[in-house]
Amino acid sequence: QLQLQESGPGLVKPSETLSLTCTVSGDSISSRNYYWGWIRQPPGKGLEWIGSFYYSGSTSYNPSLRSRVTISVDTSKNQFSLKLSSVTAADTAVYYCAVAFCGGDCYPPALYYYGLDVWGPGTTVTVSS
Amino acid sequence: QSVLTQPPSVSGAPGQRVTISCTGGSSNIGAGYHVQWYQQLPGTAPKLLIYGNTDRPSGVPGRFSGSRSDASASLAITGLQADDEGDYYCQAYDRSLSRWVFGGGTKLTVL
Repeated sequence: QLQLQESGPGLVKPSETLSLTCTVSGDSISSRNYYWGWIRQPPGKGLEWIGSFYYSGSTSYNPSLRSRVTISVDTSKNQFSLKLSSVTAADTAVYYCAVAFCGGDCYPPALYYYGLDVWGPGTTVTVSS
Repeated sequence: QSVLTQPPSVSGAPGQRVTISCTGGSSNIGAGYHVQWYQQLPGTAPKLLIYGNTDRPSGVPGRFSGSRSDASASLAITGLQADDEGDYYCQAYDRSLSRWVFGGGTKLTVL
């Protein structure tokens, strides 16, 4: 059974870089069956997709965040990471990692048939000096 | 403002049926992109309820059903239960924005 767990600092100073890691257990992050992603939720607000990647190496980012976001993978540790640079108070949020099981059919447009089946519990990140 | 529009709140008594609408446009739902629905109970991560407009993941009760028509989608919940209280989000891909988009969320209250 696939499980995800986010980890990282809960407090980041303005203008610095937010770094989070998602540890995957239950299957390989290199599997062609999954499409991985990061989503965030500001306090009291809705969900925002940050970016995603596929085992092939292809990544996709929210255009509004693209200049500040990097998603990377460490297959040896079965982890993937999020880096968000030049943070401001507007980046304060609960950050979730999540995965869609697309059974190898993880390319557009078939990809958009699937939903994010498994989510981590989320980690709260506050941007403050 | 969210690209996908949901009512801020809906309510119903135990045992009743409620529906939550999700209105998009020609670059997302209207373009044929599938709609997903998520349930977020207080203090927890979202949970996938519906994918592909109408399909339920294993373990999701049949009380939850999804539909889509033109540029809108709906989530119906029958036999309302107290532990259905929470926030519900729709989600789809938007080709103009080149990103996955979520609705603003609907708070369900069980009276």
